[in-house]
Amino acid sequence: SQQGEEDPQALSIQEGENATMNCSYKTSINNLQWYRQNSGRGLVHLILIRSNEREKHSGRLRVTLDTSKKSSSLLITASRAADTASYFCATARGAGSYQLTFGKGTKLSVIP
Amino acid sequence: ETGVTQTPRHLVMGMTNKKSLKCEQHLGHNAMYWYKQSAKKPLELMFVYNFKEQTENNSVPSRFSPECPNSSHLFLHLHTLQPEDSALYLCASSQEWSEDTQYFGPGTRLTVL
Repeated sequence: SQQGEEDPQALSIQEGENATMNCSYKTSINNLQWYRQNSGRGLVHLILIRSNEREKHSGRLRVTLDTSKKSSSLLITASRAADTASYFCATARGAGSYQLTFGKGTKLSVIP
Repeated sequence: ETGVTQTPRHLVMGMTNKKSLKCEQHLGHNAMYWYKQSAKKPLELMFVYNFKEQTENNSVPSRFSPECPNSSHLFLHLHTLQPEDSALYLCASSQEWSEDTQYFGPGTRLTVL
């Protein structure tokens, strides 16, 4: 079954606004990661949050994790046109499984 | 992206052709991965190599054949593919075979006619 599922599927905002993307998952996890993918390119790792953490920051990025609700959010503050990309969450389930399970992604468009 | 390179970037092949995708990582990592990314589907893990040994094969058809001659290089040999195999093939690496950060190459856009 699909583990990570992002919401919304697509998001369009004006430059300078904040963008929030959500990820829900079904089973317990060891960590959750967010990646960015520019059109037709490889994925770039943004941030990793472990199951015992609730919030992490990296520059303009803020990630929260709520293990009781099995959900995470990625907030990009003061968005820029260069933030236009698809954003994916990936979950690591642990229990001897070293696979990352990716969602379908949120496509973010930042309009200049 | 310069840490993991993939060639070719684009490939068009017929169903009877044989071709190979190449991945090279310059990060000193010990684990390498092949993923398939199709439109409107989640990223699918195909193969995992840890210290040159295959550790995962996620029920991938035999028309895809991986090869890992050393920890820095990974190949995906393709033969008698189907049109539904058209996708972006991504290579990734990580320090160890673990659940931590993976570093991706730019991908090979494959079109099967």
